[in-house]
Amino acid sequence: AQSVAQPEDQVNVAEGNPLTVKCTYSVSGNPYLFWYVQYPNRGLQFLLKYITGDNLVKGSYGFEAEFNKSQTSFHLKKPSALVSDSALYFCAVRDMGGGKLIFGQGTELSVKP
Amino acid sequence: AAGVIQSPRHLIKEKRETATLKCYPIPRHDTVYWYQQGPGQDPQFLISFYEKMQSDKGSIPDRFSAQQFSDYHSELNMSSLELGDSALYFCASSLRDSGRRSEQYFGPGTRLTVT
Repeated sequence: AQSVAQPEDQVNVAEGNPLTVKCTYSVSGNPYLFWYVQYPNRGLQFLLKYITGDNLVKGSYGFEAEFNKSQTSFHLKKPSALVSDSALYFCAVRDMGGGKLIFGQGTELSVKP
Repeated sequence: AAGVIQSPRHLIKEKRETATLKCYPIPRHDTVYWYQQGPGQDPQFLISFYEKMQSDKGSIPDRFSAQQFSDYHSELNMSSLELGDSALYFCASSLRDSGRRSEQYFGPGTRLTVT
């Protein structure tokens, strides 16, 4: 069975500092990995995806993610955090059968001024 | 750019009532997914449709049914509502391709409260 795990329920970062939100995956075969962000009472917004190719994927709002096959990780990163980045972040893997997304538990990111 | 539209945005129902949630995918998207997100939970897949045919089924109760219409909009019908059905229901759409590489675009969700 395919799954992703986000080991941290909450990440706290000071504005201007780099941020990392962790995600590890367990899949058979090549993974299709995604990051989504959810603001309060809003839908999920697509940030970036890894399908194949370069291990460093760049996405929206200055976010990037590094795919590491040996560590089965797909951590989300940003060089300089903004207060407006505070939100709930979900890592997800695409099910190779029906195409549904399988989400991690979510990580609450809090960026303080 | 056009996004996924869901209606209604909020719905309050009593136990044992029925509810119908609607989803209008992004134009030209041919695949629709339904997810349920309980309070403090991650979204859980319910059901999906491709070209008006059910393509996958997840943890959807037998009390729920869904379909996709000729204009590609989809409806999730929920009967005999229970308190535990209170959740945020998301619809997502994508353009299906052979490699399943496309990201899914989510609507704003319908918040269902069962009292």
